[in-house]
Amino acid sequence: DAGVTQSPTHLIKTRGQHVTLRCSPISGHKSVSWYQQVLGQGPQFIFQYYEKEERGRGNFPDRFSARQFPNYSSELNVNALLLGDSALYLCASSPGTYYYEQYFGPGTRLTVT
Amino acid sequence: AQTVTQSQPEMSVQEAETVTLSCTYDTSENNYYLFWYKQPPSRQMILVIRQEAYKQQNATENRFSVNFQKAAKSFSLKISDSQLGDTAMYFCAFMGTNFGNEKLTFGTGTRLTIIP
Repeated sequence: DAGVTQSPTHLIKTRGQHVTLRCSPISGHKSVSWYQQVLGQGPQFIFQYYEKEERGRGNFPDRFSARQFPNYSSELNVNALLLGDSALYLCASSPGTYYYEQYFGPGTRLTVT
Repeated sequence: AQTVTQSQPEMSVQEAETVTLSCTYDTSENNYYLFWYKQPPSRQMILVIRQEAYKQQNATENRFSVNFQKAAKSFSLKISDSQLGDTAMYFCAFMGTNFGNEKLTFGTGTRLTIIP
């Protein structure tokens, strides 16, 4: 079975631009979470979606938004990019809200110049 | 809010030796889950071991075991017979069980190097 997939693998953007990151969960998984991992730090929670509804939001500005589609794939959008948004963005999926194991994708490396 | 602290930024051991990584956490919840994740240079975050707070027995997965001390809010990872492939960043993580709190809170990580 395919694991969690993310696209693109790498991305370079300029300050002020907008970016969309994509995630496909493991087949049958209905929950998707997004994390930001700045170099040298642990991942920080951004969003969780379950059955297309936002279930949790971390301490990130409104420039960050996300959505989940009927096929349970998800997009993370970031507007008005700042240099500090440069990070590895990780997507994780789980079967549902009461499964406590999350399976991570390989991440998207975003560089803002 | 929960916090997770890993006080060892870097560790190194000889191949085949045993190493213990430390983790402490703070929470007001009674039921929760604790995890150790491994992140090799390939960046993929891999689950190493999981512990349910309501279980007194320490979790074990092959060469990996934990020492879970609930009262002390301590959750250390022991790697026995270490192998070169164990070289990676190791993150301790907490997950609550309350509605809307099923998110992972990570520590800052320990960079483990296994020396041949």
